[in-house]
Amino acid sequence: NAGVTQTPKFQVLKTGQSMTLQCAQDMNHEYMSWYRQDPGMGLRLIHYSVGAGITDQGEVPNGYNVSRSTTEDFPLRLLSAAPSQTSVYFCASSLRPAGHSGNTIYFGEGSWLTVV
Amino acid sequence: AQKVTQAQTEISVVEKEDVTLDCVYETRDTTYYLFWYKQPPSGELVFLIRRNSFDEQNEISGRYSWNFQKSTSSFNFTITASQVVDSAVYFCALSEANTGTASKLTFGTGTRLQVTL
Repeated sequence: NAGVTQTPKFQVLKTGQSMTLQCAQDMNHEYMSWYRQDPGMGLRLIHYSVGAGITDQGEVPNGYNVSRSTTEDFPLRLLSAAPSQTSVYFCASSLRPAGHSGNTIYFGEGSWLTVV
Repeated sequence: AQKVTQAQTEISVVEKEDVTLDCVYETRDTTYYLFWYKQPPSGELVFLIRRNSFDEQNEISGRYSWNFQKSTSSFNFTITASQVVDSAVYFCALSEANTGTASKLTFGTGTRLQVTL
């Protein structure tokens, strides 16, 4: 997981609180994504970005906001946390599109979020 | 819409047994990419293999092998002579080739493999 840094690693929030999960990479990658992992459901895409200033929704975007002001950073914001957002969050980055020959998708180590 | 199905929720084997993890996918694209990832108990995601839809050649890497069959939309993963260190959750994933969406991975629900002595 070298190169993709997620903070915090663990967080407990109260319902209604806001917070930002940080994701940074130092590999000059254009493509970055946020996924959430829930038991029995695999990883699901929340939001993704194909470059600075360009973001789009994934499969489960509701309740989350993103922005991409720099190539390096792709923060995920929870404006009003809900217990349904208790999950493990993974940030990913890659230099090229997912399946491009020779491309590697790097994942962060995950952020464990509990909303009570 | 894309979909990846890993019907095996959990598999338990004894060390040195061979084990196959199944992956069936659905996509309307003619060009797509398939992946396998390993998630050990420590939680990180470890990339194992990437395969594009034009390459149906099977691949072997040490004790790992992959069988890609477009006719059955399957991309199965076999571990030969399993070891305790293989215990993990394994995810199959699919990505479209369209540039605008090519950063998106659709994951299966994962198969938890438990290898015991």
